[in-house]
Amino acid sequence: ELKVEQNPLFLSMQEGKNYTIYCNYSTTSDRLYWYRQDPGKSLESLFVLLSNGAVKQEGRLMASLDTKARLSTLHITAAVHDLSATYFCAVDRDDKIIFGKGTRLHILP
Amino acid sequence: DAGITQSPRHKVTETGTPVTLRCHQTENHRYMYWYRQDPGHGLRLIHYSYGVKDTDKGEVSDGYSVSRSKTEDFLLTLESATSSQTSVYFCAIRAGTGEDNEQFFGPGTRLTVL
Repeated sequence: ELKVEQNPLFLSMQEGKNYTIYCNYSTTSDRLYWYRQDPGKSLESLFVLLSNGAVKQEGRLMASLDTKARLSTLHITAAVHDLSATYFCAVDRDDKIIFGKGTRLHILP
Repeated sequence: DAGITQSPRHKVTETGTPVTLRCHQTENHRYMYWYRQDPGHGLRLIHYSYGVKDTDKGEVSDGYSVSRSKTEDFLLTLESATSSQTSVYFCAIRAGTGEDNEQFFGPGTRLTVL
């Protein structure tokens, strides 16, 4: 059974700092997704990672995938308040897309 | 928003009543998903569909059924609603292939079972 674990579940950080969110999963996967959700809103797709060693960047966010370790990271560089949100990773295996519990990110000015 | 709508957007019902939520898409995507979101649990997959009349169970399917008689509509039914099914329900479609493969989510339905 596919399990997806994120940590930390809650992160409060200062603007300008760097930090990393981790996503571990229990079985081989077809692809890995990262999403952002603002309070009271739906989910917004950030990245899709397919192959081992894949790295994608958008602004201050960078996602990477290590399929051998079954680990993906979402790195935040020089955080700004606008990045405050909940971030989810999700793993696609055999058409089922299973989510982690999310990391609630609070960036303090 | 990839042309995904959900109806109703809000619903309050009583324990024991049947409830049907509708997800509608306009772009003929093959895959459609139903999730529920609860504090502390993230999103949990209820059921998904990989084509008309082709559906399968997810992580938390007990108490829910689905139907897909047309490509554009994926219905989620609570046969006899319980308070534990109070949640926000999201529908999603999957579009594209390879690294262009993405899930797009509907706006959500907030369901309260009293």
